[in-house]
Amino acid sequence: EVQLVESGGGLVQPGRSLRLSCAASGFTFDDYAMHWVRQAPGKGLEWVSGISWNSGSIGYADSVKGRFTISRDNAKNSLYLQMNSLRAEDTALYYCAKGPYGDFLWYFDLWGRGTLVTVSS
Amino acid sequence: EIVLTQSPGTLSLSPGERATLSCRASQSVSSSYLAWYQQKPGQAPRLLIYGASSRATGIPDRFSGSGSGTDFTLTISRLEPEDFAVYYCQQYGSSRSITFGQGTRLEIK
Repeated sequence: EVQLVESGGGLVQPGRSLRLSCAASGFTFDDYAMHWVRQAPGKGLEWVSGISWNSGSIGYADSVKGRFTISRDNAKNSLYLQMNSLRAEDTALYYCAKGPYGDFLWYFDLWGRGTLVTVSS
Repeated sequence: EIVLTQSPGTLSLSPGERATLSCRASQSVSSSYLAWYQQKPGQAPRLLIYGASSRATGIPDRFSGSGSGTDFTLTISRLEPEDFAVYYCQQYGSSRSITFGQGTRLEIK
């Protein structure tokens, strides 16, 4: 079955760090770009970061640049998001999403169910 | 960064009616790199349209997309009960950044 499964969310204090993971299955992971997209409670969608198939191209939203780092391990069919210096406004459901090609500047044709990150003291 | 503005914020219609959702960009979207998604409560978004007018796999033909430059439209020709949801537009391929519109809620009248 083609799917993405996120993990690693939870409650964390402001200023602390958290690492999200996304496990991919059912497709050739290293052929495609991957992304993180978040959705704050009751709000719309916000693209967070994307990475090309070979990690050669990476992009971040201005709101997370310098604090978040995206990476992937093609041998493990996994995508990661290292989140440092977390703020209350980072509270959201974080989705892992797949692009249709190797370069990351495209749309998202497969989504996971999300992992919830809550930043609060 | 390209800002996408969707209108209306909420659209109230009845099953069987035609829905027209708008997405306007703050600058031209290159090569019609615009997508539409549907999101139902408690679910992840689902890709409906890419390249402004191409339907994604498995999407019924009552969904259609059109437009270019700065003005794009998602049309649902005849609403089914399962179509009531929130719809987002998204632009890609510009300035190495991806942005979404704020969403249009399509509710049953």
